[in-house]
This record gives sequence, structure tokens and C-alpha cells, in this order.
Amino acid sequence: EPEVTQTPSHQVTQMGQEVILRCVPISNHLYFYWYRQILGQKVEFLVSFYNNEISEKSEIFDDQFSVERPDGSNFTLKIRSTKLEDSAMYFCASSEARQQETQYFGPGTRLLVL
Amino acid sequence: AQTVTQSQPEMSVQEAETVTLSCTYDTSESDYYLFWYKQPPSRQMILVIRQEAYKQQNATENRFSVNFQKAAKSFSLKISDSQLGDAAMYFCAYRSPNRDDKIIFGKGTRLHILP
Repeated sequence: EPEVTQTPSHQVTQMGQEVILRCVPISNHLYFYWYRQILGQKVEFLVSFYNNEISEKSEIFDDQFSVERPDGSNFTLKIRSTKLEDSAMYFCASSEARQQETQYFGPGTRLLVL
Repeated sequence: AQTVTQSQPEMSVQEAETVTLSCTYDTSESDYYLFWYKQPPSRQMILVIRQEAYKQQNATENRFSVNFQKAAKSFSLKISDSQLGDAAMYFCAYRSPNRDDKIIFGKGTRLHILP
């Protein structure tokens, strides 16, 4: 069964450094999403992406965040200058269509900012 | 704005028994989607079951079923014949089909299975 994959599974970085989290969505899916989950808190929406542009973003998704689909398979989340509060689990998700479709989640990347 | 509330932070159930996890939500929309996601210790989010609000029939997936009460805005998950592998965090979630891409999650219920 096709699934969303994410790399790396864990990332440790120093505050102020840039990190890139990578995701490979399910191959026939067209809509891509990033969510994050700070330890002990609920999962929060960050951004959605379709047709090579952002379709929706939350208040959390400020100028330090960016997303990109650099090729036909990868979908990346870049955090330019990490802060301590960026430490969280980051989930990528994809769906075949926008409406009426379930979003399928990857296993997550655990980011720790020191 | 839509909200999802899970009032049970933790629950325990004996193996092979049945357990029900509660979820309520608030929305002014008439059509929407509701989900239960499971997050085991591996932290991956796994879709357990999905319900379309326009369907009166409760969704069922093997040992998992929901009790969808639209008027009460309630969406509980019943797990029958609980197994050790069911131990996980369970998130209730809402999605509007008409606008917004995002899924709105509740805070989760941690389910323990007692052998």
C-alpha cells in the first residue's frame, strides 16, 4: 500500500541554523500539507500546497518557513533560522484531491533545536 | 471557528474488552468530515476511520466503529475486542469540505490496554 515517507526521522540542530525536512507524498496525490505537533500538544496545521504554490497557511507559518516541490516527487519544508520553540514533530500529509479526501500522514520528523 | 474537544486525556481498557472514546465538535457548517487518527508510540498518524456528515449511517472498519450524533455534534469511537496493539494516542479530527485545507485536531486521548 502506498504511503507518505519522511526524512530524516530525527534531526538535531543548533538555534539559528537552517533545516530542511523532506517528504515524498503518495505518487498520484496532488495536495500536500505540513503539520506540526509540539510535545504534549495537539497537531497543528502549517501549510497546504497545490500546483506549485501555497494554497493556505496558518499564523504559525511565518517568514522563516518555506515550502517547495523541487522535483516530481519531493516536498520540502525549510525553516531558515530555527528557534527553540520550533522543536516539534513535523508531519507531512498528502491527498489525492482537495475536498472530500482524506489526508494521509507520514511518520513524522522529530526536530530538536538546541 | 471550528473546534474539536476530547474530554478524556487518558483511558484504560482490559484486553478483549470494548472501549469508547468521546469527541465533540463545534461548527456552523452542515457538511463536513470527521476522522479518528491513531498515533502509536512510533508517532506515525494512522487513519482509523472516517465519517461524512451527510451520511446517517455510522462508519465501521473491522473492530472500530463510530457513533455519529450530528444534532449533538458528537463523534465517539468504539473499539471492540481491544488488542495490545490498539494502545496509542487517538485524535478526533474535523475537516470542512467547502473551504480550508486544514484538518482540525482535538488534543487526543491516550488509550492504555491492560493485559
